[in-house]
Amino acid sequence: GENVEQHPSTLSVQEGDSAVIKCTYSDSASNYFPWYKQELGKRPQLIIDIRSNVGEKKDQRIAVTLNKTAKHFSLHITETQPEDSAVYFCAASRNSGYALNFGKGTSLLVTP
Amino acid sequence: NAGVTQTPKFQVLKTGQSMTLQCAQDMNHNSMYWYRQDPGMGLRLIYYSASEGTTDKGEVPNGYNVSRLNKREFSLRLESAAPSQTSVYFCASRAGGTETQYFGPGTRLLVL
Repeated sequence: GENVEQHPSTLSVQEGDSAVIKCTYSDSASNYFPWYKQELGKRPQLIIDIRSNVGEKKDQRIAVTLNKTAKHFSLHITETQPEDSAVYFCAASRNSGYALNFGKGTSLLVTP
Repeated sequence: NAGVTQTPKFQVLKTGQSMTLQCAQDMNHNSMYWYRQDPGMGLRLIYYSASEGTTDKGEVPNGYNVSRLNKREFSLRLESAAPSQTSVYFCASRAGGTETQYFGPGTRLLVL
């Protein structure tokens, strides 16, 4: 089955700096890669996703890049703010109908 | 729309007791999922239902059973709870033809 590795497990940055979280996956058939943000005590919420036919996607301060050859994808957050502090999960799956395989999460702390 | 709802929010059980976690969605989604979340382990899939009338095992199905009661509802049953099942349980749903999963607020279960 699919195995998703996520690094680092914890990340601390100063407000205004950039944060990068990296994931690798094992199943070459995976073609959908979402990122979820989970605030303390809350449900995971989708913040951005990318499909295998795209190399990069941006949404304001958030971007995701995908390297299918190397089987890795990354989340980039620029100009970090304290409200970005949360646990971030990457995931991978095949086409619709398959479940998501999640990484173990990265706890991001943005200090003022 | 309420989205994905879960009951109860919190439950304490004694070892060997049984209980059913309820999940409902009002988005007319075809697929529904049950995950458990443990510290440092990310979200692990227990069971999923790709469509009404079908259920399939995920990564960690032992000790659980599920019922897709109708298109709206997907329940998770613990027949004989064990301390290892202490966790936060999340239900999620997904519309057909899309990949985005929407999560419920979670059920925090403590098994003594």
